Amino acid sequence: AQSVTQLGSHVSVSEGALVLLRCNYSSSVPPYLFWYVQYPNQGLQLLLKYTSAATLVKGINGFEAEFKKSETSFHLTKPSAHMSDAAEYFCAAQNEGGSEKLVFGKGTKLTVNP
Amino acid sequence: DAGVIQSPRHEVTEMGQEVTLRCKPISGHNSLFWYRQTMMRGLELLIYFNNNVPIDDSGMPEDRFSAKMPNASFSTLKIQPSEPRDSAVYFCASSLVASGINTQYFGPGTRLTVL
Repeated sequence: AQSVTQLGSHVSVSEGALVLLRCNYSSSVPPYLFWYVQYPNQGLQLLLKYTSAATLVKGINGFEAEFKKSETSFHLTKPSAHMSDAAEYFCAAQNEGGSEKLVFGKGTKLTVNP
Repeated sequence: DAGVIQSPRHEVTEMGQEVTLRCKPISGHNSLFWYRQTMMRGLELLIYFNNNVPIDDSGMPEDRFSAKMPNASFSTLKIQPSEPRDSAVYFCASSLVASGINTQYFGPGTRLTVL
């Protein structure tokens, strides 16, 4: 069964520093992949998605993610962190050809220090 | 678009009481998902519907939980009787699967506290 692993439940960066949040999936067939962000006391908001059209995907708020089949990874990056990026980030995978279910990682809480 | 609407946003009840959570999906979407989020277990899929039909309820914790989708614009999740361990944030999400891609859009959630 598909699984999604997010390395690091907590990541702390300084304002202006690079943000790197890691996500690995388990399936041998590349799935559709998503990153969501959850601000305190809010629902999950879609940041970006990979659907096999391009390996580098740009999303909202300056985030982007690169799909690497050889590494079964879909890491999320942002060149320069803002205080407003402090939130929890979830990686999710959907297998092609059938199930509509998304498998979510456990989330990474991003703290941005002034 | 109004997005996914959930009500109530907060619910505080006593153990043994019936709780009903409501969800209005995005107009035109044909799939609806109910999730539960806790610190201990993270985000769990409880049940999902496609074209108002329950497809997978394997995540429903026990018979105390039930969900319905009487029409394309409304769904309920009911807990009867409620227990303190049901305290969590419950999210509803909807999607329109296009070219096989299921992009889910989440509501703001209902924070349930069972005393």
